[in-house]
Amino acid sequence: GENVEQHPSTLSVQEGDSAVIKCTYSDSASNYFPWYKQELGKGPQLIIDIRSNVGEKKDQRIAVTLNKTAKHFSLHITETQPEDSAVYFCAAGSGGFKTIFGAGTRLFVKA
Amino acid sequence: EAGVVQSPRYKIIEKKQPVAFWCNPISGHNTLYWYRQNLGQGPELLIRYENEEAVDDSQLPKDRFSAERLKGVDSTLKIQPAELGDSAVYLCASSLEIGGTEAFFGQGTRLTVV
Repeated sequence: GENVEQHPSTLSVQEGDSAVIKCTYSDSASNYFPWYKQELGKGPQLIIDIRSNVGEKKDQRIAVTLNKTAKHFSLHITETQPEDSAVYFCAAGSGGFKTIFGAGTRLFVKA
Repeated sequence: EAGVVQSPRYKIIEKKQPVAFWCNPISGHNTLYWYRQNLGQGPELLIRYENEEAVDDSQLPKDRFSAERLKGVDSTLKIQPAELGDSAVYLCASSLEIGGTEAFFGQGTRLTVV
């Protein structure tokens, strides 16, 4: 079945630096790749997503890249702020069917 | 616009007792999901509904877990009897379209089985 690997499990950066989280997936049929941010005591919140017909997508300080050939996708956060501190999850799915989540990356942004 | 609403937020029960979780999805959303999130892990799908039909329940432990979505709106997830290993956060999510992909999550119910 589908498997999603996420790295690193923990990431600590200085405020203003960039943060990069990487994921790989196994099912070549996957065509939808969302990223979620989860703060303590809250449910995951969709922050950006990308579909397989696009290689890159950007929304202000957040960007996601997708390499379908290598089955890699990454989240890039620039100019990090303390409020970016949270757990980030990548996921991979196809056409609304089972979306598999990575294990998460705990991001610490130090002021 | 109200998001996905879940209740209760927290539940502590003794093992072998029953427990139920309730979810009200975003108005108009046809697809509803129940996920389980163990500590330090990503959410894992338990069941997915399209309207009132359960279309993917392959990961639901059917010997003790049950779910329903009457009238294709609210949903309940039940565990009977609960086991220690069921301690987790149970998340409900919904998406607008059947087969839709953007899922919006509720805050979850944190279950502790003692």
